[in-house]
Amino acid sequence: NAGVTQTPKFRVLKTGQSMTLLCAQDMNHEYMYWYRQDPGMGLRLIHYSVGEGTTAKGEVPDGYNVSRLKKQNFLLGLESAAPSQTSVYFCASIDSYDLPVAFFGQGTRLTVV
Amino acid sequence: RKEVEQDPGPFNVPEGATVAFNCTYSNSASQSFFWYRQDCRKEPKLLMSVYSSGNEDGRFTAQLNRASQYISLLIRDSKLSDSATYLCVVSPYNFNKFYFGSGTKLNVKP
Repeated sequence: NAGVTQTPKFRVLKTGQSMTLLCAQDMNHEYMYWYRQDPGMGLRLIHYSVGEGTTAKGEVPDGYNVSRLKKQNFLLGLESAAPSQTSVYFCASIDSYDLPVAFFGQGTRLTVV
Repeated sequence: RKEVEQDPGPFNVPEGATVAFNCTYSNSASQSFFWYRQDCRKEPKLLMSVYSSGNEDGRFTAQLNRASQYISLLIRDSKLSDSATYLCVVSPYNFNKFYFGSGTKLNVKP
């Protein structure tokens, strides 16, 4: 039972480069989220999706785009990376509407130089 | 104003101590409340949900005060393994967003 899997786990980018982070869940969850975590800031919501083909902005969406073409996958894209996007990125999905327990991936540590 | 606010700590306590964390939330329409635990450089994991009537899980007790809009977590008989950051999480009724506090760091010392 893989749960929520994020790839890659680590990445170093140069300013201006682009990349895509992949989040895959095998639990048939409807809702998926992308967060970033910075020291002393907690987790801040970047974008979220309430179902296949839908996405919405969270608290800090600027500089990021997302897609949810398949229910099990939620992609986070950085079109032109900036040093301010250096962070740890977590993907999460939730269990059900009745007991919305969030399951997290292991995180992606991204450094933009 | 932040959706969820927590004292960042750290709380440094000896083994066996009782420690309590509080968390306040700003949106009175919030419906679901949780405590998550995060170990250093790891992903957050659910510790416990928080119900209106309060709930207990072993050494951990969570309470919700809707009138004052705060949530608390009480840890009794602290263990070294309880050392972690504890995140308060709040969600609206439709679960489209989970708001995290910045976390309270707990260090349990021998």
